[in-house]
Amino acid sequence: DVKVTQSSRYLVKRTGEKVFLECVQDMDHENMFWYRQDPGLGLRLIYFSYDVKMKEKGDIPEGYSVSREKKERFSLILESASTNQTSMYLCASSFPPYRAQGAPRTDTQYFGPGTRLTVL
Amino acid sequence: SQQGEEDPQALSIQEGENATMNCSYKTSINNLQWYRQNSGRGLVHLILIRSNEREKHSGRLRVTLDTSKKSSSLLITASRAADTASYFCASPSRSEKLVFGKGTKLTVNP
Repeated sequence: DVKVTQSSRYLVKRTGEKVFLECVQDMDHENMFWYRQDPGLGLRLIYFSYDVKMKEKGDIPEGYSVSREKKERFSLILESASTNQTSMYLCASSFPPYRAQGAPRTDTQYFGPGTRLTVL
Repeated sequence: SQQGEEDPQALSIQEGENATMNCSYKTSINNLQWYRQNSGRGLVHLILIRSNEREKHSGRLRVTLDTSKKSSSLLITASRAADTASYFCASPSRSEKLVFGKGTKLTVNP
């Protein structure tokens, strides 16, 4: 079974602190994603990475950065946490859509348990 | 950008009843996926239906896809209290991303 783990289930930080959220997957997936989930807004993509040291902005990258030094690990960084970054953060991973030539596309994502971050 | 929109936003039923959730999407897709999320947890993939399929079953789940109407439905038969969760549809964007709807919150009362 695919396992995606996140470093913390609950985290409380103060405004202005630098915050690191870690995500590790054990299935050798190329793609990794960071989302935030807020009531009424659904899942919004912050950043994703399709290879080591590669990253692309999602829909709401402002105030965040990411790091992917190893294939299995994708870190989300809040450079200076603010109260509007209080949210549930979800990490996910997947194979690329075309795993092998001619193989049907699958984009199935495997999610971690989430980190509930509160910024005071 | 919102690709999938689920309907209804919330659904409350009794144990043993069937639950039907709908999803509409905007652009052409080659597959559509349904996920489940228990309260305060991550999402779990339930089922994927390809654009050349009209119906797919997995246990008590039945998914249909109508590409002419750009819509899909998820039916959970003989629901149980443990089915209480939020259900999301998701479809691929042009890049390797999935775009999720806002979800249907299902409550199954014992």
